[in-house]
Amino acid sequence: QKEVEQDPGPLSVPEGAIVSLNCTYSNSAFQYFMWYRQYSRKGPELLMYTYSSGNKEDGRFTAQVDKSSKYISLFIRDSQPSDSATYLCAMMTTGGSYIPTFGRGTSLIVHP
Amino acid sequence: DTEVTQTPKHLVMGMTNKKSLKCEQHMGHRAMYWYKQKAKKPPELMFVYSYEKLSINESVPSRFSPECPNSSLLNLHLHALQPEDSALYLCASSQGLAGGVNEQFFGPGTRLTVL
Repeated sequence: QKEVEQDPGPLSVPEGAIVSLNCTYSNSAFQYFMWYRQYSRKGPELLMYTYSSGNKEDGRFTAQVDKSSKYISLFIRDSQPSDSATYLCAMMTTGGSYIPTFGRGTSLIVHP
Repeated sequence: DTEVTQTPKHLVMGMTNKKSLKCEQHMGHRAMYWYKQKAKKPPELMFVYSYEKLSINESVPSRFSPECPNSSLLNLHLHALQPEDSALYLCASSQGLAGGVNEQFFGPGTRLTVL
């Protein structure tokens, strides 16, 4: 079992839909959780960063962490065609090397 | 300045060539990273520099040679590469490797093709 599991998709939704992207993980020591957006042939861009459990909101994006279920989510409201990209989750432990472990990414397509 | 820059954007090289990739950041970050990314795969860590010293080498072949001339610059020297080394090479930086927030900021990458 991989440490971080993420469905590669593609996930195709109509413009304006609410998108839910998810990752599960097996290492209970993960405390920091990140979401990156990566457009085709570009570097990943940090979208959201959360520590431990709970929710964090930034504009149309909400990151949610459920440590009891080892499950994290990224919600995108009012999705736009410009949101079409690959979304990577990443996680880190505390007290270690602080190097993130990445999921394989979910490809999102928002069609007009 | 909250940007990581990388040059060149694209590089095509033969298996006998020697070339270098360059990365620069001016955010005062003390940790810098090289990643390799193949299509539809997550970034794969190659090297980590912390305070200009090589901290992690993820068993990368010696045909890849990293260098950190100062706290803002990171190079990756390439020699005698193989076609399977063709990939997007990403540089990233973060505040440091010890404690607290350590989210990584990535550059746009260098797309490398080895013929």
